[in-house]
Amino acid sequence: AQSVTQPDIHITVSEGASLELRCNYSYGATPYLFWYVQSPGQGLQLLLKYFSGDTLVQGIKGFEAEFKRSQSSFNLRKPSVHWSDAAEYFCAVEAGNYGGSQGNLIFGKGTKLSVKP
Amino acid sequence: EPEVTQTPSHQVTQMGQEVILRCVPISNHLYFYWYRQILGQKVEFLVSFYNNEISEKSEIFDDQFSVERPDGSNFTLKIRSTKLEDSAMYFCASHPPQGDEQYFGPGTRLTVT
Repeated sequence: AQSVTQPDIHITVSEGASLELRCNYSYGATPYLFWYVQSPGQGLQLLLKYFSGDTLVQGIKGFEAEFKRSQSSFNLRKPSVHWSDAAEYFCAVEAGNYGGSQGNLIFGKGTKLSVKP
Repeated sequence: EPEVTQTPSHQVTQMGQEVILRCVPISNHLYFYWYRQILGQKVEFLVSFYNNEISEKSEIFDDQFSVERPDGSNFTLKIRSTKLEDSAMYFCASHPPQGDEQYFGPGTRLTVT
C-alpha cells in the first residue's frame, strides 16, 4: 500500500537559515508527489508538485523539492527561511491510477516548522 | 482568485446527532473530495466524487457517511449519527477538468460531545 513518511514532527530554525523537510514515500509506480502548507486556521495550499521530468521542482514562496527515486524521497528545501514560513508542511502522494492527479491524496503526518527570530 | 469555501467553520454537535458539512467547490471543477484530519494526526482521504457518483472511498467512509451534490454548486458530507471519534477537521477539495492540483477549502472543525 502507498504511504508517506515525514520523520520530523517539529523543526525549529532561525530566520535566514536554510531548511530541509524530509519526505519518504512508498509507491509501486512513478509517483505524483506534492507538498502542501497549512497555516493556522487555513486550508491546505499547494507549494509544489512533481509528476515527471526534471527532478528538481520549484514552487511558490521560494521553496523547491528534489525527487530522488533511488531514495524514495521528495525533500522540501528553502535556502533562507522567513518568519512567515512558520506553518505545518505536508508531503503527499497521489494514490490513484488516473494518469493525472485526480486520485485521492495520501498525506504524511506533517512537519510543524517554527521560526526563531 | 476563485477558492473553495466551507461552512460552517466550526460545528459542535452531540453524539448521535446528524451533521451536514457544506462545501462550495470552484465553479468549473469536476472532481470533488472530502478529507479529514483528527487533531494531531495526518490528513486522511474519505471520498472522491465525479459525475454525480462516488469514485472512490476509504474504509473510514462507512454507512454513516454520505455525500451529495444537491445542486450545481454545493457538495455536502453528511454524518448520520455522529460518534466522539468523528471529531476532526474536515476538508473539502476540488480538482479542475484539466490541471494538476486539488484545491482545498479552509476546513470545518467538527466537535462531537
